[in-house]
Amino acid sequence: DGGITQSPKYLFRKEGQNVTLSCEQNLNHDAMYWYRQDPGQGLRLIYYSQIVNDFQKGDIAEGYSVSREKKESFPLTVTSAQKNPTAFYLCASSMRGSYGYTFGSGTRLTVV
Amino acid sequence: QKEVEQDPGPLSVPEGAIVSLNCTYSNSAFQYFMWYRQYSRKGPELLMYTYSSGNKEDGRFTAQVDKSSKYISLFIRDSQPSDSATYLCAMEDDYKLSFGAGTTVTVRA
Repeated sequence: DGGITQSPKYLFRKEGQNVTLSCEQNLNHDAMYWYRQDPGQGLRLIYYSQIVNDFQKGDIAEGYSVSREKKESFPLTVTSAQKNPTAFYLCASSMRGSYGYTFGSGTRLTVV
Repeated sequence: QKEVEQDPGPLSVPEGAIVSLNCTYSNSAFQYFMWYRQYSRKGPELLMYTYSSGNKEDGRFTAQVDKSSKYISLFIRDSQPSDSATYLCAMEDDYKLSFGAGTTVTVRA
């Protein structure tokens, strides 16, 4: 079955630590995206990548980093520079030129 | 002002009622308009997408776009308890989506 897998589902980290969220897709989609979801604020775009080895900042990229070394994978690192990292993180993918995104099930990150 | 405004609700309706959801937007560059449904602690799933002004129907769901007023709507007929979820509108500009805050809907049996 094709889809997007995000792991882990829940993640707890101490303040000041970097943490990496995994996102893997087997849909052969070209584009991949990371969104952050906070209560009452909808989804906000962190980073996106249209092709391998290329990515662009979204609206709230500060304190985050990504890589796109393989078409299937788009990991997100939440660095210690991110002031308020506790949130629900969603990864999505789409065919280039398509407007329908497929989302993963999300990772809930809690920083204590 | 946010690019996409959506009343977060919550909205509670009895089973069988019509659910009416809407979003307004300010960016004239938006060309494609989508509605996603998100169940608790899950990722959003695409319900419908439209391009032009007018109505589009899919079963119990109708999406409406009025580009001149920068206003989109989603109607759910004969609502069921399984329709209880958060509904997010989304709009496309340069292959990136901007989302509304989401409206939480509860359909009471």
